[in-house]
Order: sequence, then C-alpha cells, then structure tokens
Amino acid sequence: NAGVTQTPKFRVLKTGQSMTLLCAQDMNHEYMYWYRQDPGMGLRLIHYSVGEGTTAKGEVPDGYNVSRLKKQNFLLGLESAAPSQTSVYFCASTVGQGLEQYFGPGTRLTVT
Amino acid sequence: QQQVKQSPQSLIVQKGGISIINCAYENTAFDYFPWYQQFPGKGPALLIAIRPDVSEKKEGRFTISFNKSAKQFSLHIMDSQPGDSATYFCAAGGGGGADGLTFGKGTHLIIQP
Repeated sequence: NAGVTQTPKFRVLKTGQSMTLLCAQDMNHEYMYWYRQDPGMGLRLIHYSVGEGTTAKGEVPDGYNVSRLKKQNFLLGLESAAPSQTSVYFCASTVGQGLEQYFGPGTRLTVT
Repeated sequence: QQQVKQSPQSLIVQKGGISIINCAYENTAFDYFPWYQQFPGKGPALLIAIRPDVSEKKEGRFTISFNKSAKQFSLHIMDSQPGDSATYFCAAGGGGGADGLTFGKGTHLIIQP
C-alpha cells in the first residue's frame, strides 16, 4: 500500500514549456486535490476532483489544467510554464469531504 | 475569500516547554478543523483534528482547543521535544463543500534542546 505517490519528484522547465504532473493513489479514494505550496503562503488549492471524470477549480486555477480519467490518477498540466509557477506541488486524496486528506511527497518545480 | 489566519509565523520553545499555535477562521460553515505537521522535504501529515461539537481533543502530548463562538482554535504541544521541530499548518473544511481544505500560512516551530 503506497498511499499517494507523485511523479516526478523534481523538474526544471524553461518559460513556455509544458509538462504534466502525475498523482496516483491506491486507497480507492473518491476525492483528489492539487495544492501548491509557496514560502509563507501555506497550501493553496489549484483544482480538485470529486470522482472519476469530474474536475473543479480551486483558489488558484489559472495556468493549470487537470484530468481524472481513472479513479486512482489525477493529472495536473501546465501548458505554458511561467516563473510564477515555481513552487512545490502536492497532491492529496480523501475518502470524503471533511475527512483526513492524505498527501503525497510533493513535486518541486522550478521555471526559469 | 475564505481565510484561516495562523499565528505566530515562527516559534522557538525550550525542550520540555509548551508550544502554542493559534488559528482563527471566518466561515461559520466549516465543521472540520485539522492540524497538519510537515517535515522538510515531506508532504503534510495529519496530526490531530477536531469537529465543533467538542471544545477540546487530546491525543498524547497534542491538544486542540476549540472556541466556536470566537471562531478560534489552537494547538498545544505539551513537553515539547526536538523531534517536534517542524512546520505546523492549521486548516478548516467540510461544511458540505467538496473543495478541499483552507490552510493557514504555517508556523515554523523549533524546539531547542
């Protein structure tokens, strides 16, 4: 039981490049989330999903897209990376709202 | 915008002392208040959580105090140990919304030996 895993762990992009971050969970959770963490800002919600095939915007969705084609996977895409997207990205999942969220180990992204 | 305000930003406590971190929220619909602990290079992990039907919850050395009328809650770490040195985040969520948790900005706690 691996819990929540994220791929890759580190990535450096040039401005304008695109990439996809993969989140996978093996706990059969319905809800999945993408957060970004910046120094002194806490964690801010980018997008979330309440089940396979569903997605919704969070607090800071601009510049990101997501997909949930399979229940266990939640993908976060950056179509044209910008330096402001330099951050640590965390994926989380939970069995239901108002219950414990399990976080992955994070992806550290640098955009130059 | 829903907010959770956390203080202090950083805290230094002597080993064996009590660490206290405070949070205040605005949205009265919130009904789930967790505290997360994060070590460098790791993801946040749930430490303890409370719901508004109780005023206090204790798990080992960690206690949450909750004041519904003031819309405030706090984390107390008794007999603080160097291994408790980490960043702590309060959060709020639930209330029928599926849109994740609203986090405070974090407290960097250092326990001095």
